Amino acid sequence: NAGVMQNPRHLVRRRGQEARLRCSPMKGHSHVYWYRQLPEEGLKFMVYLQKENIIDESGMPKERFSAEFPKEGPSILRIQQVVRGDSAAYFCASSADSPEVNSPLHFGNGTRLTVT
Amino acid sequence: QKEVEQDPGPLSVPEGAIVSLNCTYSNSAFQYFMWYRQYSRKGPELLMYTYSSGNKEDGRFTAQVDKSSKYISLFIRDSQPSDSATYLCAMNAGNNRKLIWGLGTSLAVNP
Repeated sequence: NAGVMQNPRHLVRRRGQEARLRCSPMKGHSHVYWYRQLPEEGLKFMVYLQKENIIDESGMPKERFSAEFPKEGPSILRIQQVVRGDSAAYFCASSADSPEVNSPLHFGNGTRLTVT
Repeated sequence: QKEVEQDPGPLSVPEGAIVSLNCTYSNSAFQYFMWYRQYSRKGPELLMYTYSSGNKEDGRFTAQVDKSSKYISLFIRDSQPSDSATYLCAMNAGNNRKLIWGLGTSLAVNP
């Protein structure tokens, strides 16, 4: 299956711990987006990355959250010192082209983060 | 007022029914319209992608865009229990970084 792969599927962390979420885009895709989904808020854009570059992190909280997409390996969304409010489903999406081309986004099955 | 409004449902129909799902929006600059299907505990899956106004058909699915009314629809013909999911509309003015999502409509198709 050459779809977007996310792991882990479920992640439980205690308050104050770090959460690390991984995403491998579809084969041939070099544009990665991270979204957060909460039941009453829907899907919210967090960050857009290309290989080795963060292009747009306007939707990501300025503290505790960071993202990277290294030359080799998956994209990582890192949440430091997690709090209960970080509990959500985090989805990664990829596309073949830059955002301005507007090619469809393909999503992974998400990581469900629970902070206890 | 949200940029995109979508009735959350739940919508419950018998197998074989025609289903109509809708979204309204306020930004007249939106040109690209998408419908995604999301099964429980899964990621959104692209169903339909349309540009500007008009209809697009793919199998049992038809997407309609009425830009004059700022209203989009997804029709499902001969609905099946496997169509039971949440349906999300999404739209933008031409940049995926500015993709705006509805909250989704929950659909149950009963055998």
